[in-house]
Amino acid sequence: QKEVEQDPGPLSVPEGAIVSLNCTYSNSAFQYFMWYRQYSRKGPELLMYTYSSGNKEDGRFTAQVDKSSKYISLFIRDSQPSDSATYLCAMSENTDKLIFGTGTRLQVFP
Amino acid sequence: NAGVMQNPRHLVRRRGQEARLRCSPMKGHSHVYWYRQLPEEGLKFMVYLQKENIIDESGMPKERFSAEFPKEGPSILRIQQVVRGDSAAYFCASSSGVNTEAFFGQGTRLTVV
Repeated sequence: QKEVEQDPGPLSVPEGAIVSLNCTYSNSAFQYFMWYRQYSRKGPELLMYTYSSGNKEDGRFTAQVDKSSKYISLFIRDSQPSDSATYLCAMSENTDKLIFGTGTRLQVFP
Repeated sequence: NAGVMQNPRHLVRRRGQEARLRCSPMKGHSHVYWYRQLPEEGLKFMVYLQKENIIDESGMPKERFSAEFPKEGPSILRIQQVVRGDSAAYFCASSSGVNTEAFFGQGTRLTVV
């Protein structure tokens, strides 16, 4: 079993839809949770950074962490074609070593 | 403030040659991390360095791979005697300290022919 599980997709949604991306994990010691966006042949771009459980909102993005269920989510409201990318969840015990999911490919069509 | 700078962006090496990948962290960052991404896979941690010190190299292959972050200059990931299986995208990230956000460079895409 992988430490971090993420559905690879692709996930295809119409413009304006609410997108829900998820990861599950097995290591209860994880405390730091991140979401990165990666465009094709580019480096990962940090979107959200969360410590422990709870919600965090930044513009159209909301990150949720449920440590009791070992489940994290990223919601994208009013999705745009420019949101089309691969979304990577990452987590760690102390951020010195990030454990990544395999990424979910998102396509937002006009 | 320039982000994390990696060069070269693309590197082609023949089997048996050496590959040197460079990473300059963001200004003010003293922590550097190297990750490898194989096609259709997530990023895998390789090594974590601070200036002149290797902190965690648990993800580094035991042979042919080495990394350094000297007092002056960029961090270097060196792969000796490359093989086809080393073909991948290598990403560097930097942070200002423990438990802070890590920012990634654009990566070096290594192709071994």
